Amino acid sequence: LAKTTQPISMDSYEGQEVNITCSHNNIATNDYITWYQQFPSQGPRFIIQGYKTKVTNEVASLFIPADRKSSTLSLPRVSLSDTAVYYCLVGPNGSSNTGKLIFGQGTTLQVKP
Amino acid sequence: GEEVAQTPKHLVRGEGQKAKLYCAPIKGHSYVFWYQQVLKNEFKFLISFQNENVFDETGMPKERFSAKCLPNSPCSLEIQATKLEDSAVYFCASSQSERGNYEQYFGPGTRLTVT
Repeated sequence: LAKTTQPISMDSYEGQEVNITCSHNNIATNDYITWYQQFPSQGPRFIIQGYKTKVTNEVASLFIPADRKSSTLSLPRVSLSDTAVYYCLVGPNGSSNTGKLIFGQGTTLQVKP
Repeated sequence: GEEVAQTPKHLVRGEGQKAKLYCAPIKGHSYVFWYQQVLKNEFKFLISFQNENVFDETGMPKERFSAKCLPNSPCSLEIQATKLEDSAVYFCASSQSERGNYEQYFGPGTRLTVT
């Protein structure tokens, strides 16, 4: 499974756009990029998944450049309730995947008023 | 149900005692996963099930840990003779498909404290 590197922590203010970048230099052809969010005292929650280019849903956008060696999770106009740990995961699709998630350290986002 | 349920929320055990944790996956989900979060942000995969069958147990410390998912019953994770290092939050997750589907739904976790 591809190793991921993300900043340990980030600070932001309410109303700002937050971009969290994840590096995954040895991503494989059949790997997908997935982001999870974990609030204190809760289980992780799936945010978004992508393979290439851009994916957008009601929560976030995911930007993946052509070489796929990195990805950026973009949170528009964050609020205090977006304070959480954000995990970037990279793993294969298809028969080689047993489904288990491999979490890295994640990025602790602190949103300030 | 529409959420993964885990019981109990908190569990305290003395070293050497047994601990049993329960998980009810979302109805219709065929796959169940157990994870251990020991320190902040550090997750470890333990085991997964496809219905009642073990799918991947590569993360299980087999000498003291066991797990089951029986039909019409909550899944369970049991730790025999708990040790201090077993203190952690144990999360259960379920999904509709294990292959290529990284969208897993997590329960609120069970915090196990071994004293």
